[in-house]
Amino acid sequence: EDKVVQSPLSLVVHEGDTVTLNCSYEVTNFRSLLWYKQEKKAPTFLFMLTSSGIEKKSGRLSSILDKKELSSILNITATQTGDSAIYLCAVWIQGGSEKLVFGKGTKLTVNP
Amino acid sequence: DVKVTQSSRYLVKRTGEKVFLECVQDMDHENMFWYRQDPGLGLRLIYFSYDVKMKEKGDIPEGYSVSREKKERFSLILESASTNQTSMYLCASSLAGDAGELFFGEGSRLTVL
Repeated sequence: EDKVVQSPLSLVVHEGDTVTLNCSYEVTNFRSLLWYKQEKKAPTFLFMLTSSGIEKKSGRLSSILDKKELSSILNITATQTGDSAIYLCAVWIQGGSEKLVFGKGTKLTVNP
Repeated sequence: DVKVTQSSRYLVKRTGEKVFLECVQDMDHENMFWYRQDPGLGLRLIYFSYDVKMKEKGDIPEGYSVSREKKERFSLILESASTNQTSMYLCASSLAGDAGELFFGEGSRLTVL
C-alpha cells in the first residue's frame, strides 16, 4: 500500500524561528513529490520535486528531495504569522492511473 | 485567473438523503479529482476522472459515485448520505499527464445529521 508520512503532525513556533517539516514515503512507482500549503480553504501548490538533491526555493521556503532516504524536507526561515497553515506533502504515483497520495499534513502555528 | 468552483460551500443533510456536490473548472483540464479531508486523516482520494465519461475509483469510493458528462464538470454523488460522510470535500483538477500540480476548489463542508 502506498504511504506518505509527515512529521511532526503539529508544531507551534514564534515569529522569526526556522522550521523544518518532514515527509517520508513508501510507494510503488514514484514520479514526484509535491508540497502544498493549506490556509483556511483550498490547498495551494508550493513545490514539485523530481530529482534528488536539487533544492527548490521560493522566498523563505525551500525544499529538497532525498530519493535514497525516500524523504523530503520543507524549510521555512524567519517564520511569520502568515505562514500558519497546514502543509501537505503528496507523492505522485506513476502508472496506469496516475494520482497523488497525500500525507496527513503538518499544522504549523506561528505566534507573534 | 484559473478557477475551480464548488457550488455548495456548506450543506446540511439528513441521513438517507441523496446529495450532489458539483465542481466546475474553467482551465480546460482533462483530469478531475474528488477528495475528502478529515482531521487526523488528511486528504483521501474518492474518485477521479481523466476524460469525459471516464471515472476511476480512488482509495475510499464506497458510498460514493461520480459523473463526468462534460469536460469542465465533475459531480460527486452520495446516494444515501450517512453520518460518517460528514466531512470537507475538495475537488481538484489538473492537466493531462500532470496529475501532480492540482488546482483545488475551496471545498464543500457537508454535515449529515
